[in-house]
Amino acid sequence: EPEVTQTPSHQVTQMGQEVILRCVPISNHLYFYWYRQILGQKVEFLVSFYNNEISEKSEIFDDQFSVERPDGSNFTLKIRSTKLEDSAMYFCASSGYRGRGTNEKLFFGSGTQLSVL
Amino acid sequence: AQSVAQPEDQVNVAEGNPLTVKCTYSVSGNPYLFWYVQYPNRGLQFLLKYITGDNLVKGSYGFEAEFNKSQTSFHLKKPSALVSDSALYFCAVRDRVTGGGNKLTFGTGTQLKVEL
Repeated sequence: EPEVTQTPSHQVTQMGQEVILRCVPISNHLYFYWYRQILGQKVEFLVSFYNNEISEKSEIFDDQFSVERPDGSNFTLKIRSTKLEDSAMYFCASSGYRGRGTNEKLFFGSGTQLSVL
Repeated sequence: AQSVAQPEDQVNVAEGNPLTVKCTYSVSGNPYLFWYVQYPNRGLQFLLKYITGDNLVKGSYGFEAEFNKSQTSFHLKKPSALVSDSALYFCAVRDRVTGGGNKLTFGTGTQLKVEL
């Protein structure tokens, strides 16, 4: 089965630093997402991205966060100035095939564990 | 707002016994419900979904789930558990996203432990 790949698997950063989390969604998918999971808590939606723009974002996704699809294959999440509470596992996901409309099944990557010190 | 609840943090079952992982939901309109599984150091993997039709939905690895509208439940079941089923299980409900796509609201997860 095709996979969503995320790099790095672990990222340690100092508070106030910028981090970029990288994802390669499944080829030909149209919809891209970031979710996060703080240790011991539920998986939370951050943002969805379609047609080169954000289609929806949660209240967590404030001005410190941004997403980009710079080259047609990668999908990145940037946190400009990290805070301690940004420490979490960040999951990228993709869904949907061209010509088939939306597809309810999201494919998730294995995540990037972000630790902010 | 749509939500799901998984009342059990952990479920323990002996291998070969049936298992049930509980989920209840709260939605406006028709529910689109999902189960995902997370193995250690892996991403969430799709198990099954209920969109419409038969209340009993069959999915991957022998799992099935029963949609019960009157009880607003979508419990995950398997007739005979395997040790390899031990993982974290998430119930989720789908919201439509502006412009298409899907936003999933997840439950808090249930850790399933299957022992010999």
